[in-house]
Amino acid sequence: EPEVTQTPSHQVTQMGQEVILRCVPISNHLYFYWYRQILGQKVEFLVSFYNNEISEKSEIFDDQFSVERPDGSNFTLKIRSTKLEDSAMYFCASSGHGGGTDTQYFGPGTRLTVL
Amino acid sequence: QKEVEQNSGPLSVPEGAIASLNCTYSDRGSQSFFWYRQYSGKSPELIMFIYSNGDKEDGRFTAQLNKASQYVSLLIRDSQPSDSATYLCAVLTGSQGNLIFGKGTKLSVKP
Repeated sequence: EPEVTQTPSHQVTQMGQEVILRCVPISNHLYFYWYRQILGQKVEFLVSFYNNEISEKSEIFDDQFSVERPDGSNFTLKIRSTKLEDSAMYFCASSGHGGGTDTQYFGPGTRLTVL
Repeated sequence: QKEVEQNSGPLSVPEGAIASLNCTYSDRGSQSFFWYRQYSGKSPELIMFIYSNGDKEDGRFTAQLNKASQYVSLLIRDSQPSDSATYLCAVLTGSQGNLIFGKGTKLSVKP
């Protein structure tokens, strides 16, 4: 069964450093998402991406964040200058056609720890 | 601010019993609703989705939707210890289908 994959599974970085989290969505999916979950809190939407551009973003997704689809398979989330409060699980998700009746499938997540 | 509310639990049921999980949402215009299961330290795993008022059954799981009351529920019949997890209610919003999640209800099924 096709699945979303993410690398690395765990990333440790120093405050102020840049990190890039990588995702390979399900191959025939067209819509891509990043969510995060701070330990003990709810899953929060960060950004959605379609047709090589951002569709929507939340208040969390400020200028420190960017997304890119550098090739036909990868989808990346970059945090330019990490803060302690960026420590969280970051989940990539993808869906086939977006919109109100589509379902999103989540990757296993990357645990980001900012020291 | 669009909100999705769930009782955080924990909800404890004996093996073989029915577990009932509830969720309310604030945006009356919401059309699509999802239940995900999340084991500790893992990612959300889709269990069911429901779009229409009424019940939708899939194996041991039944989702119920009442748009007038802005209420979604998930029933798990014949609960098993392996069902012990946090159950996340999610509501689709935004033009591209961004999900808003509740905090989740932790379910514990005792053998």
